Amino acid sequence: EDKVVQSPLSLVVHEGDTVTLNCSYEVTNFRSLLWYKQEKKAPTFLFMLTSSGIEKKSGRLSSILDKKELFSILNITATQTGDSAIYLCAVTDPSHSWGKLQFGAGTQVVVTP
Amino acid sequence: NAGVTQTPKFRVLKTGQSMTLLCAQDMNHEYMYWYRQDPGMGLRLIHYSVGEGTTAKGEVPDGYNVSRLKKQNFLLGLESAAPSQTSVYFCASSITGTGTYEQYFGPGTRLTVT
Repeated sequence: EDKVVQSPLSLVVHEGDTVTLNCSYEVTNFRSLLWYKQEKKAPTFLFMLTSSGIEKKSGRLSSILDKKELFSILNITATQTGDSAIYLCAVTDPSHSWGKLQFGAGTQVVVTP
Repeated sequence: NAGVTQTPKFRVLKTGQSMTLLCAQDMNHEYMYWYRQDPGMGLRLIHYSVGEGTTAKGEVPDGYNVSRLKKQNFLLGLESAAPSQTSVYFCASSITGTGTYEQYFGPGTRLTVT
């Protein structure tokens, strides 16, 4: 059975700290890995990673994929209270042409002032 | 563009009652999805649709039905609500084509079944 495991499940940091979130996966046919940020409501897209070793970056957020070891990390530097959210990782399985996403349980990040 | 919208935002049902959740998207996406989100379990797919008039079961379809009569709308029905269906429900949509897997999510519906 396909699995996506995120760690830690939750963490609390102070503003200015750096956060590293982990996502490991076991899927039969891997195509890509997506990161979403979920604040109060809808998950919003952050990154899609398909190639190993290529970092995607957006402001203070960055992510990288290791297809050999089957994991991805999401880094947030100089955290702000607005980074408080649940971060979701999902992988795609191309055997489903309609773009099935398998989600992990998420990591809840709380940034305190 | 409103993106993906959901109605209602909140609902409380008694066991055995029925209701329909409406999802609408204005992005002309072919694919639409219904998920439920429970604490510690991430998002789980209930049903999905790859086009107008087509629907299929996801991971947790029992107790739910769906319909996609118009391309822009995807309805989720609960015929006889149970407390186990207390959850937050998200609708999502995505564009057609391979290699494009980003799904756009609605704001969610919080459903409580007592």
